[in-house]
Amino acid sequence: DARVTQTPRHKVTEMGQEVTMRCQPILGHNTVFWYRQTMMQGLELLAYFRNRAPLDDSGMPKDRFSAEMPDATLATLKIQPSEPRDSAVYFCASGLGETQYFGPGTRLLVL
Amino acid sequence: AQSVTQLDSQVPVFEEAPVELRCNYSSSVSVYLFWYVQYPNQGLQLLLKYLSGSTLVKGINGFEAEFNKSKTSFQLRKPSVHISDTAEYFCAAGGYNTDKLIFGTGTRLQVFP
Repeated sequence: DARVTQTPRHKVTEMGQEVTMRCQPILGHNTVFWYRQTMMQGLELLAYFRNRAPLDDSGMPKDRFSAEMPDATLATLKIQPSEPRDSAVYFCASGLGETQYFGPGTRLLVL
Repeated sequence: AQSVTQLDSQVPVFEEAPVELRCNYSSSVSVYLFWYVQYPNQGLQLLLKYLSGSTLVKGINGFEAEFNKSKTSFQLRKPSVHISDTAEYFCAAGGYNTDKLIFGTGTRLQVFP
């Protein structure tokens, strides 16, 4: 049963620290999405890739967030420096065609 | 622009009762439609999807949904809910010319004994 995996599952850090979240998409999927979920804003699309190329990062704060796919089995989302308002659950999803499959999320708390 | 509206933020229901969760979409082009479920502290799990063909779609856990093009709706139904169905349910829409999904704001289904 192929699944999207994300690490770490939980992260507590202090304001100003760098945070890196990792995602392993389902083998063979050609799209990868990063979402952020908060109580106030709901589910927001931050960035997405097709065939490892970034296609849309308009939802991402450019000054502190960056997303990359160094290879087909790894996607990363980095926050530097982190701020308390970045506290949220970050989801990765991968897809092949029209359907997206979500990972379990990284729960981030920035103190 | 495409949008998805879930009219009910919360739906309380007793165990074994039927439930319907509402979803409306707006689009000038053909759409794909999805329902996802999110259990506490978990990611979104695909319940079912409509791509084409029969307007009645069956999914996992006894859920089904009906696509109504004239009403631009995609209602999710279950004839008899269980306590374990307590979760957040998200409706989403995609299209032929995009990889992205537009999500609704979610409906919290609370099943009481």
